Amino acid sequence: RKEVEQDPGPFNVPEGATVAFNCTYSNSASQSFFWYRQDCRKEPKLLMSVYSSGNEDGRFTAQLNRASQYISLLIRDSKLSDSATYLCVVNVNAGNNRKLIWGLGTSLAVNP
Amino acid sequence: DVKVTQSSRYLVKRTGEKVFLECVQDMDHENMFWYRQDPGLGLRLIYFSYDVKMKEKGDIPEGYSVSREKKERFSLILESASTNQTSMYLCASSSGVHEQFFGPGTRLTVL
Repeated sequence: RKEVEQDPGPFNVPEGATVAFNCTYSNSASQSFFWYRQDCRKEPKLLMSVYSSGNEDGRFTAQLNRASQYISLLIRDSKLSDSATYLCVVNVNAGNNRKLIWGLGTSLAVNP
Repeated sequence: DVKVTQSSRYLVKRTGEKVFLECVQDMDHENMFWYRQDPGLGLRLIYFSYDVKMKEKGDIPEGYSVSREKKERFSLILESASTNQTSMYLCASSSGVHEQFFGPGTRLTVL
């Protein structure tokens, strides 16, 4: 079983749609969780951290379910500019982020 | 504005050549990382450094070495390039548990 698993997609959705991605992780001792976004031929950039209580940033909501060992990302009112690959990232070290475990990413295409 | 820069965006080398990839960050971060990214394999950690002159192997260190003589600079060295090292190489830096900032990447082709 991979340490971090994501549905690779692609998810094709119309503008304005709501779309959700899930990511499962295998190490129950995982400490912190992130969603990064990577545009085509660009570097990954942090989209948001995922907190135990869940967190929201505008149209984006991230949730953590420790019991079932998954995190989710919800995008509401999708924009064309949301088209990208979304990487789920898990940190198993307390106190530093020297060893992050990266998912392979979920591809999203938002269509006009 | 935070910045991580990499010496080249595109590089073409021949098998057996020694290759240097340079990465510089201007954020005074203690941690620096080298990854490679390949289709279907995702981001894989090659080496990282948490202080000057310190280095630790990542998941795929074979065929690579690194150097960190100054805090802001982290170099990746391919001692004898091979075709299976054709890839996108991404450098990143971070401080503590905070986010990793990436450079724009170097697309290396080994012929």
